[in-house]
Amino acid sequence: NAGVTQTPKFQVLKTGQSMTLQCAQDMNHNSMYWYRQDPGMGLRLIYYSASEGTTDKGEVPNGYNVSRLNKREFSLRLESAAPSQTSVYFCASSESQNTEAFFGQGTRLTVV
Amino acid sequence: GDSVTQMEGPVTLSEEAFLTINCTYTATGYPSLFWYVQYPGEGLQLLLKATKADDKGSNKGFEATYRKETTSFHLEKGSVQVSDSAVYFCALFAAGTGNQFYFGTGTSLTVIP
Repeated sequence: NAGVTQTPKFQVLKTGQSMTLQCAQDMNHNSMYWYRQDPGMGLRLIYYSASEGTTDKGEVPNGYNVSRLNKREFSLRLESAAPSQTSVYFCASSESQNTEAFFGQGTRLTVV
Repeated sequence: GDSVTQMEGPVTLSEEAFLTINCTYTATGYPSLFWYVQYPGEGLQLLLKATKADDKGSNKGFEATYRKETTSFHLEKGSVQVSDSAVYFCALFAAGTGNQFYFGTGTSLTVIP
């Protein structure tokens, strides 16, 4: 049972480059989330998708875009990477309200 | 808005010691509360949860009780092991506030033999 799968696991970008982080879940969950994790900051929500076809901004959306391609997939795009976007990115999904979120293994992104 | 405040770390304990990690929350509705654990290099895993007041979540010897009167959800374990070394996150989910999870900043626990 794969759960939530993120790719890639590691990435180094130069300032100004673009990239897309991929996320897929096989649990038929309605809601999906993108978080970033920084030392001393915990997890901060970038964007979320409560259901297929909808996306909403979270706490720190600037510099990111998302696409809920279908029920399974939720991608995060950095159009012009900046050093401040160096972080560990986690995708998560949940069935609905009041149910736990399941997390991917994370993507460690470094922007130089 | 909704938020979670948890005890700052790092916490270092000897094996078999008692563990408490404090967590308090602010929520406008009636949230569900969670504890997640993150082992080095991995994603977050659900440790336990409670969905209403006075519920006790438990798993792998860890326990936490949903206290509405004190808006708290403290994590406890009677006897920690070296394998419990990890970062622990308290979180809440409140419907009607964007259907999103709010996480604390995490508490790093190191258990020494």
